[in-house]
Amino acid sequence: LAKTTQPISMDSYEGQEVNITCSHNNIATNDYITWYQQFPSQGPRFIIQGYKTKVTNEVASLFIPADRKSSTLSLPRVSLSDTAVYYCLVGSNTGGFKTIFGAGTRLFVKA
Amino acid sequence: GAVVSQHPSRVICKSGTSVKIECRSLDFQATTMFWYRQFPKQSLMLMATSNEGSKATYEQGVEKDKFLINHASLTLSTLTVTSAHPEDSSFYICSARFRGETQYFGPGTRLLVL
Repeated sequence: LAKTTQPISMDSYEGQEVNITCSHNNIATNDYITWYQQFPSQGPRFIIQGYKTKVTNEVASLFIPADRKSSTLSLPRVSLSDTAVYYCLVGSNTGGFKTIFGAGTRLFVKA
Repeated sequence: GAVVSQHPSRVICKSGTSVKIECRSLDFQATTMFWYRQFPKQSLMLMATSNEGSKATYEQGVEKDKFLINHASLTLSTLTVTSAHPEDSSFYICSARFRGETQYFGPGTRLLVL
């Protein structure tokens, strides 16, 4: 299972763009990269998933370089409600997929 | 989107009793479900992987006789904490795999053992 490394915490202000980078140096060929958001006392919420290059949806963008050894979650114009813990996970459906969570990044958005 | 529910959302029980937590995928069939435990200020810890119609696979250090998992159908998995003790108090979260790589998580169940 590919191990992930993220910054422990980040601070931002409302309206700013926030980029959270995740390192996954031993990512396997079949692995996808998935980001989740978790609020206190709630289950993680799926944000975005990608395999390579760039993926964008209504809430975020995911940038993955060609070597796939890292990925960056980009949150445009954050608000106070984006204060949460963000987890980067890598895994594949082949060979028995299971999701192992790292420590995550605690994002604190200030007014 | 894919929705996963858990019941109950919170439960308080006396030490020595057993507690069952249900996890349901509401709008899709999940061939695999996962159970996690999360202590305050910590990340999620995978407890076991549950495949429909077969025995669950437990992570190292998780007692299978303590945490009984049953995955009877493609939409339901249950976790039973047997003879619960105060140290079992935690936040239990299930997830279901949808379309291969994507996992969707339930809202969690807060267990407090007195």
